[in-house]
Amino acid sequence: GAVVSQHPSWVICKSGTSVKIECRSLDFQATTMFWYRQFPKQSLMLMATSNEGSKATYEQGVEKDKFLINHASLTLSTLTVTSAHPEDSSFYICSARDRRRSGNTIYFGEGSWLTVV
Amino acid sequence: GNSVTQMEGPVTLSEEAFLTINCTYTATGYPSLFWYVQYPGEGLQLLLKATKADDKGSNKGFEATYRKETTSFHLEKGSVQVSDSAVYFCALSDGGATNKLIFGTGTLLAVQP
Repeated sequence: GAVVSQHPSWVICKSGTSVKIECRSLDFQATTMFWYRQFPKQSLMLMATSNEGSKATYEQGVEKDKFLINHASLTLSTLTVTSAHPEDSSFYICSARDRRRSGNTIYFGEGSWLTVV
Repeated sequence: GNSVTQMEGPVTLSEEAFLTINCTYTATGYPSLFWYVQYPGEGLQLLLKATKADDKGSNKGFEATYRKETTSFHLEKGSVQVSDSAVYFCALSDGGATNKLIFGTGTLLAVQP
């Protein structure tokens, strides 16, 4: 079946540095990918919708310059957390929509744990 | 705006017990409703869905009925197994151009042998 892979699964970085998380659709092309973050005991919060070949659409309250999203190909979207701070520590999950299927057929990655120290 | 509210966990049950996880929603129009499951160390997987009122989604022994009159989509299973231990998320999609999903907070289910 369709698989979405995220890398890395977990990462620890120092305050002030940038970290990149990759989201790949392994056996299908995804024109649209979504990035979520999840705080402990809270829901998944949609951060942005990433469309291949165009700029991402960010949800209200999400800083575009801090969370850089690039969707350069039909199988890869990246989220870069720039100048990370401890409050950016969270669980980040991506999902991808299979363009071959109608309706809301969305597949999720395994998620990436980011800890900023 | 659209939102989803689901019961807080954790829910702890013995094997073969009956499961109900409540989910209610607020939405304009006619959203599609979903239950996703996240097993330990894995990504979210679609468990079941319903796209219109009175539809019943079912999969792996789980069921949920889209109740427009009560704006609910409660998840049920008659007899849970240890392997059902996971986090369950209720979600809705307003079916707009981007089909964004809005999630509830998730409910951890722990099934004991």
